[in-house]
Amino acid sequence: QLQLQESGPGLVQPSETLSLTCTVSGGSIARSSYYWGWIRQPPGKGLEWIGYVFYDGTTYYSPSLTSRVTISADTSKNHFSLKLTSVTAADTAVYYCATVNFNSFYYWGQGTLVSVSS
Amino acid sequence: QSALTQPASVSGSPGQSITISCTGTSSDVGNYNLVSWYQQYPGKAPKLIIYHVGDRPSGTSDRFSGSKSGNTASLTISGLQAEDEADYYCCSYGGSRAPWVFGGGTRLTVL
Repeated sequence: QLQLQESGPGLVQPSETLSLTCTVSGGSIARSSYYWGWIRQPPGKGLEWIGYVFYDGTTYYSPSLTSRVTISADTSKNHFSLKLTSVTAADTAVYYCATVNFNSFYYWGQGTLVSVSS
Repeated sequence: QSALTQPASVSGSPGQSITISCTGTSSDVGNYNLVSWYQQYPGKAPKLIIYHVGDRPSGTSDRFSGSKSGNTASLTISGLQAEDEADYYCCSYGGSRAPWVFGGGTRLTVL
């Protein structure tokens, strides 16, 4: 069974870039049937899809975040990454990585809280 | 890309059945049989419980069922148990220009 684990700084300065990595174990991110995605959840609020990447580098992003988001995959390290630029307090959230298969978010990481504050 | 509409809260007594609705548009819920449902306990990651409108992943109790009519999808939990108390989110595919949209979430209280 796949396991996903997010990692990265828990505190980011306003206007800086948020960077997170999702390390995958129990399977290869080069698996052709999966996409690899990011979802976030502001404190006390609902879920928001950010985007996802295929192992060949093909990406899809939420229209509301596309100007600030980059998601990439590194098959040699079996991980994929999220970069979100020009962050504000509104980007404070728990960030989850997840697989996209069976047209759903099937396996999830445990999530990591990222706070945007000076 | 607007969020799907769910009731903020629902409640039921042990043993009863409850239904949570998820209303979208003809561009998402109404156009694709790609609705999924997630259960989330406080402080935990969401867990997939229904995909493709009504299919259950391995390990999901058959007390959970999903359906769809027009632009509205529904999650029904039968034989309500205390452990079902959680937040529930629906999600739908919305096409290549806005692939995924979530509902605002519904808090289920077991009385």
